[in-house]
Amino acid sequence: QAQLVQSGAEVRKPGASVKISCKASGYTFIISAMHWVRQAPGHGLEWMGWINAGNGNKKYSETLGGRVTITRDTSAGIVYMEMISLTSEDTAVYYCARDMAGGVKAFDIWGQGTMVTVSS
Amino acid sequence: QSALTQPASVSGSPGQSISISCTGSSSDVGTYNLVSWYQQHPGKVPKLIIYEGTKRPSGVSYRFSGSKSGNTASLTISGLQAEDEADYYCCSYVGTSARVFGGGTKLTVL
Repeated sequence: QAQLVQSGAEVRKPGASVKISCKASGYTFIISAMHWVRQAPGHGLEWMGWINAGNGNKKYSETLGGRVTITRDTSAGIVYMEMISLTSEDTAVYYCARDMAGGVKAFDIWGQGTMVTVSS
Repeated sequence: QSALTQPASVSGSPGQSISISCTGSSSDVGTYNLVSWYQQHPGKVPKLIIYEGTKRPSGVSYRFSGSKSGNTASLTISGLQAEDEADYYCCSYVGTSARVFGGGTKLTVL
């Protein structure tokens, strides 16, 4: 059964950086695209970016101002999301989510979420 | 890329049907028939309920259906049940695998 397991909650001070992992299992890692989505407390879902797990191509949301980097380790089946220059507005639950097999543009498998709290 | 527009809230009584609209532009919803819908209960992970505008993943109730007209996609839930009370989000492909979400709609079952 395909699943995504994310790393645990993080607390950072403003200006710091954070790196979250998302380990895939139960399917062939390199055939799917992986996305990152975040949700601030009481707010909606925000698409952050994606990476092609096979060839490493990636794209980011322009609203993040170049502060996000998504990488992957194909041998370990892990995707990472690193965000720098954190502010309190980055406090949110961060999810990784997989595009469906066959190139379908929809997120069928989600990680459990990682809470990132930015506070002085 | 601007967020897609959804009503903040909708409500209905058990057994009724409701629809949630998702309005975008010719750059997203209007060009690509690649709108997906997600259901999210409080404190839970979002769940895919509609993809490619009208298709249901295995295991999703037939009571959920999707449609599109021009730049607006819609989710319809028929035979409303108490467990349908949740937040619903639309999401559109916008090219080069990028996506944009709607602001979300809170469904209340009266």
